[in-house]
Amino acid sequence: DAGVIQSPRHEVTEMGQEVTLRCKPISGHNSLFWYRQTMMRGLELLIYFNNNVPIDDSGMPEDRFSAKMPNASFSTLKIQPSEPRDSAVYFCASSWGQVEAFFGQGTRLTVV
Amino acid sequence: SQKIEQNSEALNIQEGKTATLTCNYTNYSPAYLQWYRQDPGRGPVFLLLIRENEKEKRKERLKVTFDTTLKQSLFHITASQPADSATYLCALDASGAGSYQLTFGKGTKLSVIP
Repeated sequence: DAGVIQSPRHEVTEMGQEVTLRCKPISGHNSLFWYRQTMMRGLELLIYFNNNVPIDDSGMPEDRFSAKMPNASFSTLKIQPSEPRDSAVYFCASSWGQVEAFFGQGTRLTVV
Repeated sequence: SQKIEQNSEALNIQEGKTATLTCNYTNYSPAYLQWYRQDPGRGPVFLLLIRENEKEKRKERLKVTFDTTLKQSLFHITASQPADSATYLCALDASGAGSYQLTFGKGTKLSVIP
């Protein structure tokens, strides 16, 4: 397996534009997580899906953020409209059980 | 309030020595705690998991301890090598119910000097 695949690796966008980040989890994993990492706040959990169903989205900063998981092999995180303070590295991770979470390479988002 | 603190932002150590990293938490009762390694430009990589009923776990040159009374985990790398230089993150099950949701510390950047 190629691991968790995220796209794009880098995204630069203008304030106010819509941004969509994509994630393909490891086949067979039933949990998917979106995290955001900044120097100030570290790694923060945004949303957690189990069996494609959102279980906890309390970490989503505001209504501008939304996430979907239409099937077991694909998830998106959308920011609309984007703001400069959304600039961060966004990670997707997947897991099966409590053993470990497998992280993707991340998407570095810059909003100018 | 709930906190996870890795009390060194950066740690420099001589090659061959043992590196010890600390993770303290308050107002959590985790069912388990995990340690991850993160290299620049990459996602975290899982290293070890230790459960609340375990005192110590080992894997090759790595050792983790978990003291639920002190609310602390220690992460040791023995015979450290320059290739061990990275940021190390602790993470715990914030719900305490053995859920899959992890809350991470901000990490300690370890530099092993040749």
